[in-house]
Amino acid sequence: DIQMTQSPSSVSASVGDRVTITCRASQGDSNWLAWYQQRPGKAPKLLIYAASSLQTGVPSRFSGSGSGTDFTLTISRIQPEDFATYYCQQGNSFPWTFGQGTKVEI
Amino acid sequence: QVQLVQSGPEVKKPGASVKVSCKTSGYTFTDYYVHWVRQAPGQGLEWMGRISTNLGGTNYAQKFQGRVTMTRDTSINTAYMELSSLGSDDTAVYYCARVGSGWYWVDYWGQGTLVTVSS
Repeated sequence: DIQMTQSPSSVSASVGDRVTITCRASQGDSNWLAWYQQRPGKAPKLLIYAASSLQTGVPSRFSGSGSGTDFTLTISRIQPEDFATYYCQQGNSFPWTFGQGTKVEI
Repeated sequence: QVQLVQSGPEVKKPGASVKVSCKTSGYTFTDYYVHWVRQAPGQGLEWMGRISTNLGGTNYAQKFQGRVTMTRDTSINTAYMELSSLGSDDTAVYYCARVGSGWYWVDYWGQGTLVTVSS
């Protein structure tokens, strides 16, 4: 199985800060990576697919980059509604696997 | 609008089975796969497998092979996930999720179904 490692596990930020989350895959050579946001008690929400494509309706302050094994999610100017947990997910092969999550706190 | 509506919470005893349903609407059911992902309390997301709603073929994570069965009923646009031989570590929220053919990401999720395994 492909292991996905996110860092940091948690980060504290203030409204307006730039926040960067990284995700490293144990193997891979493509951009088959997605990012999700999950608020407490809610289902995940797709933010980014194909490593850098913004899902329809997602604010442009979210962006993704990377390929191969190293990926990044950036929130350019974090807003109050962005405080949540973020997960990366690889779709390069079955079983799909997720990172352990990054909790973004105020 | 696209909706995936799951069945309600369940409480099961160890060793029992549970069957969760996922009723879809707002799109052509057989044009998309349904995947199942679970999340134990306070933990991350774990992929369980998927079903082709068109042909019924399945792919399961090795961890759940022999214990999970995913089915679908195209007449009512509903997918099902049955997990047997439940243990306390199966206590989790179970999500169904829509994935397009050739995609490797989920664009719509169900609201989740809490399954509690307790004696």
